[in-house]
Amino acid sequence: GQNIDQPTEMTATEGAIVQINCTYQTSGFNGLFWYQQHAGEAPTFLSYNVLDGLEEKGRFSSFLSRSKGYSYLLLKELQMKDSASYLCAAMDSNYQLIWGAGTKLIIKP
Amino acid sequence: NAGVTQTPKFRVLKTGQSMTLLCAQDMNHEYMYWYRQDPGMGLRLIHYSVGEGTTAKGEVPDGYNVSRLKKQNFLLGLESAAPSQTSVYFCASTLEVLGANVLTFGAGSRLTVL
Repeated sequence: GQNIDQPTEMTATEGAIVQINCTYQTSGFNGLFWYQQHAGEAPTFLSYNVLDGLEEKGRFSSFLSRSKGYSYLLLKELQMKDSASYLCAAMDSNYQLIWGAGTKLIIKP
Repeated sequence: NAGVTQTPKFRVLKTGQSMTLLCAQDMNHEYMYWYRQDPGMGLRLIHYSVGEGTTAKGEVPDGYNVSRLKKQNFLLGLESAAPSQTSVYFCASTLEVLGANVLTFGAGSRLTVL
């Protein structure tokens, strides 16, 4: 079956760095997405990886290893506003997104 | 541009009642989706549409119907609401599914079935 695994919850300190991991198993692969979702709000797009390696976008970076079925989202210089859930989603061979349950990130001052 | 607009934002139903959730997008997107989001679970696809006049079943279609009579609108109907359908429903749209095509989500509709 198709599956996405990511930690349920993580805690980090303001100003620090945190890495949120995601492993996936899909029938075929057409890319890996990360979305941010603040409590009570809609998910919003953060990043997309389809080739192996690191994609950097400001304070956020996303890494992909297709051979390992693994991705991570790296958040630097954490701010209180980064407190949110982070959703990992892999696109399968039919271009359908398989979603993880999300990682709730708690930032402490 | 409003993006993706969902109505209503909140609704309480009794078991057995029916209702329709409306999703409207003004971005001329071809693809539209209805998801439900429950605690501890990933977004689950209910139904989707690849263009005006087309619909297809997703992962959890039972108990729901959809229609896409106009390109900009995608309606989700609950025929006979059940407590298991208590959830937050998100509509999303995208121009195409190839490459890094981002889903734009509506603000969500919180449905409670008593």
